[in-house]
Amino acid sequence: DGGITQSPKYLFRKEGQNVTLSCEQNLNHDAMYWYRQDPGQGLRLIYYSQIVNDFQKGDIAEGYSVSREKKESFPLTVTSAQKNPTAFYLCASTPRGVNEKLFFGSGTQLSVL
Amino acid sequence: DQQVKQNSPSLSVQEGRISILNCDYTNSMFDYFLWYKKYPAEGPTFLISISSIKDKNEDGRFTVFLNKSAKHLSLHIVPSQPGDSAVYFCAASARFGNEKLTFGTGTRLTIIP
Repeated sequence: DGGITQSPKYLFRKEGQNVTLSCEQNLNHDAMYWYRQDPGQGLRLIYYSQIVNDFQKGDIAEGYSVSREKKESFPLTVTSAQKNPTAFYLCASTPRGVNEKLFFGSGTQLSVL
Repeated sequence: DQQVKQNSPSLSVQEGRISILNCDYTNSMFDYFLWYKKYPAEGPTFLISISSIKDKNEDGRFTVFLNKSAKHLSLHIVPSQPGDSAVYFCAASARFGNEKLTFGTGTRLTIIP
């Protein structure tokens, strides 16, 4: 069964702590994305990667970091520099060259303690 | 600068009636439009799309209309069913531009039995 797996489903961050959100896909998609959803707002792009070992900043990259060491994996680290990290985080992927139809994971809700 | 706008945060419709969700955009470079459906605590799922060379696209109970001169698109759901209750996001991209999707803020549709 192909799909995108995000873990954990719920995550809590203490002040000054870095946390990492996992995203794994077995769809053989080249491109992967991280979005953030806040109440009453649309999905905002944090980072994206079109190919292994390469990634680009999205619209709200400050306070976040990513890596793309394997095609299947695109973890997102929320650093202590991100002052308002509470949000619903969504990972997505697309086959190369088909950047519009995103396939989403089930999301991670991050909250600050 | 909100390039994709969904001005109705919520909409309630009687079961069996037509649901009409609206979306406006400002960027004239957008040439591909999509609707996503999202249930709480889940990732969005692709619903239907339309290219700017068309003004209508149908898929079962779902029809998307595009009015390029007005920079407006709408999603019609007929007949509306309780399972249609969800948040609907409009999204747009410029396929020959940077190709990233820009999302609207979403409309919460509630179908009343």
